[in-house]
Amino acid sequence: KQEVTQIPAALSVPEGENLVLNCSFTDSAIYNLQWFRQDPGKGLTSLLLIQSSQREQTSGRLNASLDKSSGRSTLYIAASQPGDSATYLCAVYTGGFKTIFGAGTRLFVKA
Amino acid sequence: DAGVIQSPRHEVTEMGQEVTLRCKPISGHNSLFWYRQTMMRGLELLIYFNNNVPIDDSGMPEDRFSAKMPNASFSTLKIQPSEPRDSAVYFCASGLAGATGELFFGEGSRLTVL
Repeated sequence: KQEVTQIPAALSVPEGENLVLNCSFTDSAIYNLQWFRQDPGKGLTSLLLIQSSQREQTSGRLNASLDKSSGRSTLYIAASQPGDSATYLCAVYTGGFKTIFGAGTRLFVKA
Repeated sequence: DAGVIQSPRHEVTEMGQEVTLRCKPISGHNSLFWYRQTMMRGLELLIYFNNNVPIDDSGMPEDRFSAKMPNASFSTLKIQPSEPRDSAVYFCASGLAGATGELFFGEGSRLTVL
């Protein structure tokens, strides 16, 4: 059974710091991995999607990597800003319409 | 292009009442998902549809929950009768099956059952 774990559960950093959020999954048989952002009281916004054949994806200050064999993904945020404060979730698509979510990492960037 | 649209955004009701949540997926998407999010359990998949057909409803907690998708542009999630433990945020998401598997979420419906 696929399980997705995100560490740390919460993170507080000063503005300007570079940071890494971690996601691990137990079964490497995935089609893709998706990183989402969720603001309080809002829905999930897709940030980056990495196909199983890819190693990384970049969007602006965000870079997501995928190591399928080790069951790991990281989301790197460069030069963090207070506006980056949110919960970040990773999700793996295992096919058959199944997407499994991690519990998320709550990020707080202090001004 | 409008995203996934859910209504109502907030619903407060009393125990025993019927609740109906609505979702309009992104035009052209052929898969639709209903999720429930709570602090204790995180995001739980309740049911998903492909081409308007329910594929897997094993996540539906009880018979009090039912979901329909009468056409490609509309789905409902009904709870009858509602209970306080049903209080949560219910999300609808849509995507293209067989493609990237990328999901697009609505803003959610926050349900409070008193």
